[in-house]
Amino acid sequence: DTAVSQTPKYLVTQMGNDKSIKCEQNLGHDTMYWYKQDSKKFLKIMFSYNNKELIINETVPNRFSPKSPDKAHLNLHINSLELGDSAVYFCASSQDNSLGTGTDTQYFGPGTRLTVL
Amino acid sequence: RKEVEQDPGPFNVPEGATVAFNCTYSNSASQSFFWYRQDCRKEPKLLMSVYSSGNEDGRFTAQLNRASQYISLLIRDSKLSDSATYLCVVNIGSSASKIIFGSGTRLSIRP
Repeated sequence: DTAVSQTPKYLVTQMGNDKSIKCEQNLGHDTMYWYKQDSKKFLKIMFSYNNKELIINETVPNRFSPKSPDKAHLNLHINSLELGDSAVYFCASSQDNSLGTGTDTQYFGPGTRLTVL
Repeated sequence: RKEVEQDPGPFNVPEGATVAFNCTYSNSASQSFFWYRQDCRKEPKLLMSVYSSGNEDGRFTAQLNRASQYISLLIRDSKLSDSATYLCVVNIGSSASKIIFGSGTRLSIRP
């Protein structure tokens, strides 16, 4: 029973293409996130999404857009892929986003390794 | 100064040893603190939350020092399976929007 799942696990594509990564959580959580982990292993939050409120890390290019068809899904769309987009992308979810209560503990998906050629 | 800083290591210790890492944070308004563990080519997994009073889970003890703005992780009687990268996580936003991961401390346990 996978709590947070992502597809595909690997994605290899050409520069300039548009691609999507899907994420689903079956934990009943209210908040979902996307992270990028680059080659130096830094893990940076890109988006968090809670009750239709999207919070964007200001450093994320607008070529990246999350789409949430329902509470259990938060997909990541990337337009005009660039070489620098190559990284591992992790989806995560938490019960809610109330700080300091333990309900902001995040559970991560297995990651999608994106390679842009 | 980085918002969250960790010694990257690697820490190379023998099985059975006790090892400790610290993680410093710069924002005094930080409210939530966690230690995550990440194995090579895997996703981060929660090891433990860090509470003001400190908390212990088996061989693992986490402490929070608000005055000096750091959290610590102590691993006693280390096992080979403890080899991983340990990520310090600090949540400094008014919602879960300002989540900062440290760059991680690599731990390697040798037989």
